[in-house]
Amino acid sequence: DAGVIQSPRHEVTEMGQEVTLRCKPISGHNSLFWYRQTMMRGLELLIYFNNNVPIDDSGMPEDRFSAKMPNASFSTLKIQPSEPRDSAVYFCASTPGRFEKLFFGSGTQLSVL
Amino acid sequence: GENVEQHPSTLSVQEGDSAVIKCTYSDSASNYFPWYKQELGKGPQLIIDIRSNVGEKKDQRIAVTLNKTAKHFSLHITETQPEDSAVYFCAATRSNDYKLSFGAGTTVTVRA
Repeated sequence: DAGVIQSPRHEVTEMGQEVTLRCKPISGHNSLFWYRQTMMRGLELLIYFNNNVPIDDSGMPEDRFSAKMPNASFSTLKIQPSEPRDSAVYFCASTPGRFEKLFFGSGTQLSVL
Repeated sequence: GENVEQHPSTLSVQEGDSAVIKCTYSDSASNYFPWYKQELGKGPQLIIDIRSNVGEKKDQRIAVTLNKTAKHFSLHITETQPEDSAVYFCAATRSNDYKLSFGAGTTVTVRA
């Protein structure tokens, strides 16, 4: 298996633009997570899906952030409009049901200028 | 909620020496403690974990210890090698809880 696949690896955009991050979880994994990593706040859970349904989005910082999981093999995290403080590495992770081993993707490095 | 503190934030060791990273947690109900290793440009990867019914667990050169009374757990890396250079994160949660509380991370550098 190729593991969790995220795209793009790097994204540079200007303030106010829409940003869409993409994730393909490992086949057969029914739980998907979006995390954000910054120096100041470390690893933060943004949203958790189970069987394509959002279970907990309490970590989503504000209404500018939204996430979808239209099917078991694809998820998106959208920021609209983006702001410089959104600059971070965004990780997608999946797990086959038990939460005790997260499989992380390689992340998307987002820079908002 | 759970609060995990991790020390030190950076650690430099000579190749062949041991490295120790320590974490404390606040929620006495936490019973699962994983450790993740993050190499440059990659996502975190689980390297070892321990449950509250075990005091120590070892896997080749890495070992974890848990002191439930003191609410702290540690990662030990023996005979360090250059490929051990990475950022290490401890975490804590209740079993079957999807919310992992991560420590702030320790950057380990192994000097040749």
